[in-house]
Parts: sequence; C-alpha cells; structure tokens
Amino acid sequence: DAMVIQNPRYQVTQFGKPVTLSCSQTLNHNVMYWYQQKSSQAPKLLFHYYDKDFNNEADTPDNFQSRRPNTSFCFLDIRSPGLGDAAMYLCATSRPGLGQETQYFGPGTRLLVL
Amino acid sequence: KQEVTQIPAALSVPEGENLVLNCSFTDSAIYNLQWFRQDPGKGLTSLLLIQSSQREQTSGRLNASLDKSSGRSTLYIAASQPGDSATYLCAVRMDSSYKLIFGSGTRLLVRP
Repeated sequence: DAMVIQNPRYQVTQFGKPVTLSCSQTLNHNVMYWYQQKSSQAPKLLFHYYDKDFNNEADTPDNFQSRRPNTSFCFLDIRSPGLGDAAMYLCATSRPGLGQETQYFGPGTRLLVL
Repeated sequence: KQEVTQIPAALSVPEGENLVLNCSFTDSAIYNLQWFRQDPGKGLTSLLLIQSSQREQTSGRLNASLDKSSGRSTLYIAASQPGDSATYLCAVRMDSSYKLIFGSGTRLLVRP
C-alpha cells in the first residue's frame, strides 16, 4: 500500500558524478516536494511543484534540479555532487485546498558521496 | 523569518509515563501545524495536523494543542510505550506558502 515511493533507498555516488533520485506517488496529489535532511537536522525544502509549476527555494544551490514529467513522478537531479550533499533526500506530496493538507512523505533516499 | 524551536532536544522516560513535547514558532501567521514522527533512517509519518483555527487534535494516545497567539504547540503522549521511541518533529505551514518549516525535533526514548 505504499503511497509515496522513493528509489533507490540508498545511493552511493562519486564526487562530481551526476545522480538522479526518483519519487512516485499513488495519491494523485498535485503538489510534490523535495526536502534535504542532514544528520540530526530538520528537513529543509529544496523546491516543490504545484501541478507543473516549479517553485525553487531561494537558497537551493544551482547544483540541484528537478523534473516532473507527469502527476505521479518527480525526479531530483544533482548535477555535480559534493561531499556536502551527502544527506537523506525526502519526497513528499499533498493536495492543499481539497482537504488533503497533510504532507505524506516517502521513506527517503540516503545519498553517500565518495 | 519564521523559526521553529523544539525543546527538549532529547528525552528519556520510563514506560507508562505521560509526556509532553514542546514546539514554539516566532511568527503567528501560520496556516497549520503538523506533528511528525521519524524513525531512524526512515521518512516522516504524519501524526496530527492542526489548522490555525483549531485548538487541538487527538488521535489515540496522542493529543496536540495549538496556541497560535503565543506561538506554541504541545504534543501530549499518554501511557508511553517503547514503540513510541522515535524523533518527533513539528512543522508549520505559513499563510503565504505551501512550504513546511520544521523544528529540529525531539528525540524520545521510552525505556522498558
């Protein structure tokens, strides 16, 4: 009954080697979010899509990009991962304004940069 | 700029104890507040959502209250169990955005 699915659960990449993380949802929610969470810290929003509209946070590095080809899928691309990008990446969805204010999170992808 | 603070950062209690986790925020213009649970190495599970017009929400042994004017929320856990051990995060959504602003969490350990 997984509702927000993230793949892979663990990703190891090399310094500077592009990596893509994926998120899919079965909730038909129109808003999808990507958060970065470093060890023992609060999740930090990188960007979100409201339908097809992309909303970038002001302090999200240019190194992070996102794509949403359809309602169900959203991708996080890290163009040149640095050691400081090692973190848990969390995808979430919601449908605000229609009684679905709660954000539902996936299990996360833990990224390790060597 | 909204800031969310959770105190204490860590808490250890014996099984069966009732406990309260605290969350405070600096800007009272919130749309709603959510409490989440996070197990080690896992994603977040939503526990309770309180709209800005509400004072409290209950789910099972959990009760969350909201005092918007004073910028505070509490999560009350009754009759704590070892399975409640996790990190508890509160997050606020502002009127002007869909974005959630998180506190750093309270790490709870319930000892058998």
